[in-house]
Amino acid sequence: AQSVTQLGSHVSVSEGALVLLRCNYSSSVPPYLFWYVQYPNQGLQLLLKYTSAATLVKGINGFEAEFKKSETSFHLTKPSAHMSDAAEYFCAVSPSNFGNEKLTFGTGTRLTIIP
Amino acid sequence: DAGVTQSPTHLIKTRGQQVTLRCSPKSGHDTVSWYQQALGQGPQFIFQYYEEEERQRGNFPDRFSGHQFPNYSSELNVNALLLGDSALYLCASSLVQGTGNTIYFGEGSWLTVV
Repeated sequence: AQSVTQLGSHVSVSEGALVLLRCNYSSSVPPYLFWYVQYPNQGLQLLLKYTSAATLVKGINGFEAEFKKSETSFHLTKPSAHMSDAAEYFCAVSPSNFGNEKLTFGTGTRLTIIP
Repeated sequence: DAGVTQSPTHLIKTRGQQVTLRCSPKSGHDTVSWYQQALGQGPQFIFQYYEEEERQRGNFPDRFSGHQFPNYSSELNVNALLLGDSALYLCASSLVQGTGNTIYFGEGSWLTVV
């Protein structure tokens, strides 16, 4: 079975500060990991995904994440927060990179940006 | 190119009633999955349809059923609604063949059971 744990249900950072959202995974097979963002009253948008090609993954809107097998982590970072980054962020895991795999999501982290 | 579209966007039902939610996948996609997102929670996988058959199912009771049509669109049906069924229902589409295929989500259908 696979699972992800997102540490911190709420994170607040000042505009211009570093954003760090934490995700740890548990998987009996090599995992494929994803970060999705959900803006208020909207669906999920893929930020980035790890598919074993490179441990440092760059996504949209300046976000990136690093896969660390030794720490079973896939934390999401952005060097400088912008007001438009305020949203809910979900980490997810699947057992393969095929399009028919189900995603197992964490409980989410709500990111608030302080002006 | 239209993405994943869902209808209705909001609806209110009474306990015990039945509801049908609809989803049109992104153009070219042949696989549709449904997720339930309760307030303050992450989405949970309900089931997946491919070639008009249920291929995978999550831990949801038989009250939840679905259908996929020849044009790949899909419906989610929930019978005997409970208050706990109140949630955002998300449809996701993908292409089953090949690797590296991105899963796209719709904006969801908000269901409130009163």
